[in-house]
Amino acid sequence: SQQGEEDPQALSIQEGENATMNCSYKTSINNLQWYRQNSGRGLVHLILIRSNEREKHSGRLRVTLDTSKKSSSLLITASRAADTASYFCATDANNDMRFGAGTRLTVKP
Amino acid sequence: EPEVTQTPSHQVTQMGQEVILRCVPISNHLYFYWYRQILGQKVEFLVSFYNNEISEKSEIFDDQFSVERPDGSNFTLKIRSTKLEDSAMYFCASSPREFIPYGYTFGSGTRLTVV
Repeated sequence: SQQGEEDPQALSIQEGENATMNCSYKTSINNLQWYRQNSGRGLVHLILIRSNEREKHSGRLRVTLDTSKKSSSLLITASRAADTASYFCATDANNDMRFGAGTRLTVKP
Repeated sequence: EPEVTQTPSHQVTQMGQEVILRCVPISNHLYFYWYRQILGQKVEFLVSFYNNEISEKSEIFDDQFSVERPDGSNFTLKIRSTKLEDSAMYFCASSPREFIPYGYTFGSGTRLTVV
């Protein structure tokens, strides 16, 4: 089964710095999504990028997609302590989503 | 904004007992899903459900698991005889149609603790 695999597994930065998380997947996809999860809470959809798109922005988030390398990156600019969470990429094909293991981001005030 | 509601938020059960996790999907959605996340691990797909039947299930979704949409509004996940390793967060999700341009809507999850 296809899955997104994020790296790094954990990332710790200072408030104000940028955070970059990467995701790789194995098979062709319809789209790729990034989700955020605060500890013990539900998943929150952040952004979706379609397979024919290369870059997308939403507020402080920037997502890129390289289908030739089967990889995506999520950039959070000017991070805040409140951005501390786990971030997951999810690939979508045939009406099912598969998630990676996530990157645990810690933003220190 | 419409949301997916899951109850209870936390359930503790004895090993071997049956549990039913409940979800109320968004009313006009047609596709329903269960995912689980063991603490500290990745979110795993369990099952998808459409038109009153399972459309796909993962290898995790064995005979101990079942899903049902008993009354047109609730979507339930039953674990017949819980094991310690069933302890996890269980997320329900729904979507309006097969191709999802803007993602699924997830519930906030039920934390199941098997003791």
